[in-house]
Amino acid sequence: EPEVTQTPSHQVTQMGQEVILRCVPISNHLYFYWYRQILGQKVEFLVSFYNNEISEKSEIFDDQFSVERPDGSNFTLKIRSTKLEDSAMYFCASRGQGHYGYTFGSGTRLTVV
Amino acid sequence: AQSVTQLDSQVPVFEEAPVELRCNYSSSVSVYLFWYVQYPNQGLQLLLKYLSGSTLVKGINGFEAEFNKSQTSFHLRKPSVHISDTAEYFCAVSVANAGGTSYGKLTFGQGTILTVHP
Repeated sequence: EPEVTQTPSHQVTQMGQEVILRCVPISNHLYFYWYRQILGQKVEFLVSFYNNEISEKSEIFDDQFSVERPDGSNFTLKIRSTKLEDSAMYFCASRGQGHYGYTFGSGTRLTVV
Repeated sequence: AQSVTQLDSQVPVFEEAPVELRCNYSSSVSVYLFWYVQYPNQGLQLLLKYLSGSTLVKGINGFEAEFNKSQTSFHLRKPSVHISDTAEYFCAVSVANAGGTSYGKLTFGQGTILTVHP
């Protein structure tokens, strides 16, 4: 069964450093998403991406965040200057047309120290 | 905007007993509804979804859910649980496709931790 692949599974970074979280969505999917889950809290939407541009973003997704689909297969989330409160599990997801095949990756646990 | 309320943060139950995890939603437009399961240190796995049609939806691992539009609920049920069902369960909604322009953002509830005891 097709999978959404996220790397790395765990990343530790120092406050103020830039991080890039990587995702390989399912190959024929058209819509791409990032969500995050702070420990003990619910999963929150960050951003959706369609047709090579951001289609929707939440209030969490401020100027410190950016997304990119550089080569038609990878989908990245960049945090420019990490804060302690960015520590969370970050999930990538992708889907095809309609809501069929909405699939999440296994997540990247980001720890900011 | 949509919101989801999962009425129980924790549900303890004995093995082979039935279980119901409750989910209510709020939305001014039609929605799609989902249940996801998260096992410890793992990602989100889709259990089942309601997009249209029959209001009783069957999913993986013997779970089912019933969409009740009048009560704005989508409760998850299993007639007999196993130890391996111990996990956190998330209810989620998305705006139903409107003219083909829905981008499919999911809004999640707070999660219900199901603990199955032997």
